[in-house]
Amino acid sequence: GAGVSQTPSNKVTEKGKYVELRCDPISGHTALYWYRQSLGQGPEFLIYFQGTGAADDSGLPNDRFFAVRPEGSVSTLKIQRTERGDSAVYLCASSPYRTIKNTEAFFGQGTRLTVV
Amino acid sequence: AQSVTQPDIHITVSEGASLELRCNYSYGATPYLFWYVQSPGQGLQLLLKYFSGDTLVQGIKGFEAEFKRSQSSFNLRKPSVHWSDAAEYFCAVGGAAGNKLTFGGGTRVLVKP
Repeated sequence: GAGVSQTPSNKVTEKGKYVELRCDPISGHTALYWYRQSLGQGPEFLIYFQGTGAADDSGLPNDRFFAVRPEGSVSTLKIQRTERGDSAVYLCASSPYRTIKNTEAFFGQGTRLTVV
Repeated sequence: AQSVTQPDIHITVSEGASLELRCNYSYGATPYLFWYVQSPGQGLQLLLKYFSGDTLVQGIKGFEAEFKRSQSSFNLRKPSVHWSDAAEYFCAVGGAAGNKLTFGGGTRVLVKP
């Protein structure tokens, strides 16, 4: 399809393990966003890429979280030493312009991460 | 810091009745405001957005929202609800750069036959 694709759709991992979550944005979209949605809450901003660079990573909760977008397309969110509190749905969105003032951000269906 | 409050966690409405979802925001400058809908198993979908101009904005699926600066509100309305409108609705605010959205906690809408 032509939408934002996130893999895996579900991930169960043990506390302390390392996980990678992948986002394939809509082709040609230069802006990419990661959000985290905990149960019963609205999405919380994590990080924003414009091209290959992280333009704003102020939402990353701590240094266990890291994201990359090496070629300006696919992005990977990496979580080290996972904790049970990291359990949430991780959402990715993309937009074709520098700011979402000009257009909407298109969201993927998310990756549900469960840390046991 | 910007913030969004959606006072109603759940709303139940009969099919065909009108719907209004409340949203209050806090932002130090001119806000950019959005309403998104999230259906089970679906990604967030934009219903409408406000950047400037006419304070009453029309969106998809028959929704509209009104920006009231004096009340720091951006309430969402629909005159006649359909069963397919059952979903969770999120209000969000962004700044001048627009690239960091702050979402409210959401309002879950249940539609009775």
